[in-house]
Amino acid sequence: EVQLVESGGGLVQPGRSLKLSCAASGFTFSDYNMAWVRQAPKKGLEWVATIIYDGSRTYYRDSVKGRFTISRDNAKSTLYLQMDSLRSEDTATYYCATLNYYSSYTHWGQGVMVTVSS
Amino acid sequence: DVLMTQTPVSLPVSLGGQVSISCRSSQSLVHNNGNTYLSWYIQKPSQSPQLLIYKVSNRFSGISDRFSGSGSGTDFTLKISRVEPDDLGVYYCGQGTQYPYTFGAGTKLELK
Repeated sequence: EVQLVESGGGLVQPGRSLKLSCAASGFTFSDYNMAWVRQAPKKGLEWVATIIYDGSRTYYRDSVKGRFTISRDNAKSTLYLQMDSLRSEDTATYYCATLNYYSSYTHWGQGVMVTVSS
Repeated sequence: DVLMTQTPVSLPVSLGGQVSISCRSSQSLVHNNGNTYLSWYIQKPSQSPQLLIYKVSNRFSGISDRFSGSGSGTDFTLKISRVEPDDLGVYYCGQGTQYPYTFGAGTKLELK
C-alpha cells in the first residue's frame, strides 16, 4: 500500500525558514516524479513544485521560486521542501503527492499545516 | 498560466441522481505529444484529495464506473451517476499539460 507521510510543519514567523519532509513507502520511490501541492485555509488546491524521479529537474510556481527548494533522497525514499523567507500567504496545508506518467497526482499524503504569522 | 474554470460552484443532488460538472481551460490542454493531461479529483470532508480520472477519461484504480470523464481541447465534463453518500465533497479538475500546473476552484457536491 502506498503511504506518504509528511512532517515538519508548524508555526513560524514571517521571514523565517521551515523544512518539510515526506516519507514514502509501498512503492519504488525512485521511479516516480513527486510534487508538493498546498491548500490555504478554506481555499482550493495550488501546485507548488515538482521534482523529476532522479532529481535532475525541478519546477516551481512563480510565487515560491527563489524561496522554496524541492529535493529528494531516493536512498531514503524521502521528499523534501525547504521553505525560506516565508510569507503569510504561504500559510496552508502542504501535501506531497506522486505523479504518474500522465501528470496526475495519484497518491497524496495526509498533509502538514504550515502557519506563517508573527 | 492556464486558468481552469469550474461550474457550478455548488451542486445540490439527490441520492441516486446524476450530475455533471464542467471544467473549461483558458488554453488548449493538448500537449505537444498529442495527449491531454486533464484530471479530476475529489476531496471529501477533512480528507486529502483523491484521484478519480486521469487523461480526460481514464478511471484511476478502484474508481467506480459511476464516474466518467469526457471532453477535449478546452472543454471537459465529469459525470457522476447514481450518486451515493460517499460521493459528497469538493471536486477539482486539474491540468498537467503545462507548467505551472493549475486546478479549478472546485465544485461542492452536497445533498439537496
